[in-house]
Amino acid sequence: EVQLLESGGGLVQPGGSLRLSCAAAGFTFSSYAMSWVRQAPGKGLEWVSVIRDSGATTYYADSVQGRFTISRDNSKNTLYLQMNSLRAEDTAVYYCAKVSGGRCYGSLDHWGQGTLVTVSS
Amino acid sequence: DIVMTQSPDSLAVSLGERATINCKSSQSVLYSSKNKNYLAWYQQKPGQPPKLLIYWASTRESGVPDRFSGSESGTDFTLTISSLQAEDVAVYYCQQYYGTPFTFGPGTKVDIK
Repeated sequence: EVQLLESGGGLVQPGGSLRLSCAAAGFTFSSYAMSWVRQAPGKGLEWVSVIRDSGATTYYADSVQGRFTISRDNSKNTLYLQMNSLRAEDTAVYYCAKVSGGRCYGSLDHWGQGTLVTVSS
Repeated sequence: DIVMTQSPDSLAVSLGERATINCKSSQSVLYSSKNKNYLAWYQQKPGQPPKLLIYWASTRESGVPDRFSGSESGTDFTLTISSLQAEDVAVYYCQQYYGTPFTFGPGTKVDIK
């Protein structure tokens, strides 16, 4: 059974930093691309970033480009999202999701439960 | 960026009746060499993460009831629930994964009439 468990969310001041983690189990992590999707309170889904199986290719939404960095450690079966220069509009539940293939272009076939990030002074 | 639009914003359907949700992409999401539309549908129930229902516009994910189906016509896509059940109350999102950023539609809320 595929399991994705996010952690690292919390309250942070504007301009601050936070690193999210997503621990994966139940599949061969190094064979699949992984993605982050966020959802602001009461709003729809917003795609944030994706990283291919090897970690060699990454893509970002314009809204986070230059501030967020996606990475992975295939030896630890863990996905990360380093978030810097956080803004109030980054407040959201952040979901980790498994891509259906090793490359970035695929549907998101499994999702974690999400971790809440709140940016406020 | 590819813009995804959905209609209606919300709909209420009687139990056992058909629900139809539309999604339109601002440009083609067809990868011609594979003849596949890079389009997925997700269901999100209150307090839960999204769940994949349909990928490649019309392929049902394993374990998804066959009352859910997807269809395509150019840049227009449709999710149909053939016979609405109480457990289908949710928000439904389409997403294109053809070109980055992989944009989602705004969502369609489905309720029981």
